[in-house]
Amino acid sequence: NAGVTQTPKFQVLKTGQSMTLQCAQDMNHNSMYWYRQDPGMGLRLIYYSASEGTTDKGEVPNGYNVSRLNKREFSLRLESAAPSQTSVYFCASSEVGGGGLGGEAFFGQGTRLTVV
Amino acid sequence: DQQVKQNSPSLSVQEGRISILNCDYTNSMFDYFLWYKKYPAEGPTFLISISSIKDKNEDGRFTVFLNKSAKHLSLHIVPSQPGDSAVYFCAASARGGSEKLVFGKGMKLTVNP
Repeated sequence: NAGVTQTPKFQVLKTGQSMTLQCAQDMNHNSMYWYRQDPGMGLRLIYYSASEGTTDKGEVPNGYNVSRLNKREFSLRLESAAPSQTSVYFCASSEVGGGGLGGEAFFGQGTRLTVV
Repeated sequence: DQQVKQNSPSLSVQEGRISILNCDYTNSMFDYFLWYKKYPAEGPTFLISISSIKDKNEDGRFTVFLNKSAKHLSLHIVPSQPGDSAVYFCAASARGGSEKLVFGKGMKLTVNP
C-alpha cells in the first residue's frame, strides 16, 4: 500500500520561481489537504479539498494555489516563491468527506522546500 | 490565536517509566481529539483519538484522557520505550470530527534507555 505519495521530496527554488508539489492517494479518500510545518509552529493548514471538485482555504493560503485534479490527486502550486515559503510541506487524506477534515488523516512523507 | 496548545516543547523520560503529554484547547466547539506521532523525515502518523462523549480511550500502551470541563487532554504512554522517541502532535476537530483538524505545535519526547 503506497498510501499518500508526494513528489518531489526535496526542492530548492530561487525567489520568484514557480513550482507545483504533487500529491496522490490510493485509499479512495474523499478529502485531501496540504499542510506546512515550520519550527515551533506545528502543522498549519494551507488548503483542503473536501471532495473532488471543491477546494477551500485553510489557515495560511496566501501565496499558494491548489488543484483537485481528480479523486486521487491534489496539487499545490507556488506561483512566485518567496523565502517565507521555505518549509516542509505535507499532503494528507482522510475518508471523512462532505465538509472538512476529521477523523484519522494519513500523511505523505513530506516535501522539504527551500527558497533562496 | 492558538486554539490547541502544547505548552511544553519537550519531555525526557527513562525507559519503562510513564510518559505524560499534555494538551489544552480553547475552542469549546471541539469535540474530537487526536494524537499524532512524527519521526524525523517522515510524515505524521495517527496514534489514538477520543470523542468528547468519552473521557478515556485506551490502545495498548497508549491511553488518552479527556477533561472537558478543563479543556484538557493528555496522552499516557506506559511503559515508555526508546522507539517512542518522536514529536507528538495534539489535534482537535469540531462537529464530530467532520471539520478540519487544528494542530498544536508539538512536543518532542525522548525516552532514554
